[in-house]
Amino acid sequence: AQKVTQAQTEISVVEKEDVTLDCVYETRDTTYYLFWYKQPPSGELVFLIRRNSFDEQNEISGRYSWNFQKSTSSFNFTITASQVVDSAVYFCALDGANFGNEKLTFGTGTRLTIIP
Amino acid sequence: GAGVSQTPSNKVTEKGKYVELRCDPISGHTALYWYRQSLGQGPEFLIYFQGTGAADDSGLPNDRFFAVRPEGSVSTLKIQRTERGDSAVYLCASSFNRGEADTQYFGPGTRLTVL
Repeated sequence: AQKVTQAQTEISVVEKEDVTLDCVYETRDTTYYLFWYKQPPSGELVFLIRRNSFDEQNEISGRYSWNFQKSTSSFNFTITASQVVDSAVYFCALDGANFGNEKLTFGTGTRLTIIP
Repeated sequence: GAGVSQTPSNKVTEKGKYVELRCDPISGHTALYWYRQSLGQGPEFLIYFQGTGAADDSGLPNDRFFAVRPEGSVSTLKIQRTERGDSAVYLCASSFNRGEADTQYFGPGTRLTVL
């Protein structure tokens, strides 16, 4: 069975601070995909990143960066110089690469509050 | 282009009633998914369609839940004899079906409240 753990239920930081959201996953698949989604107060899940298990290079997109460590089964997300608009619930998710059997397994989310 | 749309945005019903929730996927997306999100939790998978057929319905909690996608586009999630425990946000997502784990794009959800 697949499992995603986001141990941080809530995090609050002051604006402009950096913050890292942790994600640890479990899977028996040798190939899999990891995702991060943002859920702002409006409720709609917004896609942030998709990463293949064979690609362990870190990725940076503006103020966002992701650190994938296959050895520790972690896919952490860092926001640099946080802004109030970053306040949201962030979900990490896992999809086994089984064509025809696509479903995301989500963590329970981390609620991030940026204090102005 | 237009994203995934879901109607209604809110649905309040009484215990025991029947409800239908509609999802209109992104144009060109052949895969469609339903998830359920309870308060304070991550979305939980319900069912996945490739085209018109349900490829995986292992997440449907019981036989009161049923979903269809008759023409391979719009999908309807149907819940019979609703119970208070069915109250949640029902999310729909769609994706291309080009291979492994294509990115799923989500709609705004339908908030179902069963009184």
